[in-house]
Amino acid sequence: QIQLVESGGGLVKPGGSLRLSCAASGASDTFSDYYMTWVRQAPGKGLEWLSYITFSPTTITYADSVEGRFTISRDDAKNSLYLQMSSLRVEDTAIYYCATATFWGGLDFWGPGTLVTVSS
Amino acid sequence: EIVLTQSPGTLSLSPGERATLSCRASQNVYSRYLAWYQQKPGQAPRRLIYGASSRAAGIPDRFSGIGSGTDFTLTISRLEPEDFAVYYCQQYGSSPWTFGQGTKVEI
Repeated sequence: QIQLVESGGGLVKPGGSLRLSCAASGASDTFSDYYMTWVRQAPGKGLEWLSYITFSPTTITYADSVEGRFTISRDDAKNSLYLQMSSLRVEDTAIYYCATATFWGGLDFWGPGTLVTVSS
Repeated sequence: EIVLTQSPGTLSLSPGERATLSCRASQNVYSRYLAWYQQKPGQAPRRLIYGASSRAAGIPDRFSGIGSGTDFTLTISRLEPEDFAVYYCQQYGSSPWTFGQGTKVEI
């Protein structure tokens, strides 16, 4: 099975930018075979789906809450997923999870998450 | 956007009891593309059910899912101590994908 680890979280001021990464590893699975997705969870709140990117040829979709501010991308040669976040707001404070997905099976493997705090 | 409404918000039960969680969609969920996840404090969610009724690998058979269209149910036949957690439904048949607000199963 595939293992995922997010990185790049931290403290950022409102209006700032941050780039999250998600590194995949696993001997028996091919990263490029998976859709990849980002999900976040604000402190004490539920899960919010943010974006997904399919495998090549890629299709990308965003939640309205981040459309135009966040950009998802992937580098299959590096087994990595990214989330470029800009114009960050206090309400973007959350744990950000990456997860693999299939069109038939939902989100199957998840990383442990990385915390993003937006505060002045 | 498909809105998923889970009920109840909190379910107070004892080990050995049966838990029934509901997830209602504002529109038909395409092709039964509905999943259930379990989340424990400080952990990432874990997929339990996909395709409304298929158990994910390694998930005990006390977890079962049923439903189609707009009404879906997750049942835990006999609660074990490790089952006390928050459960989310999610639809992935239509963009944007959406989650329900969660049901907390507590002792």
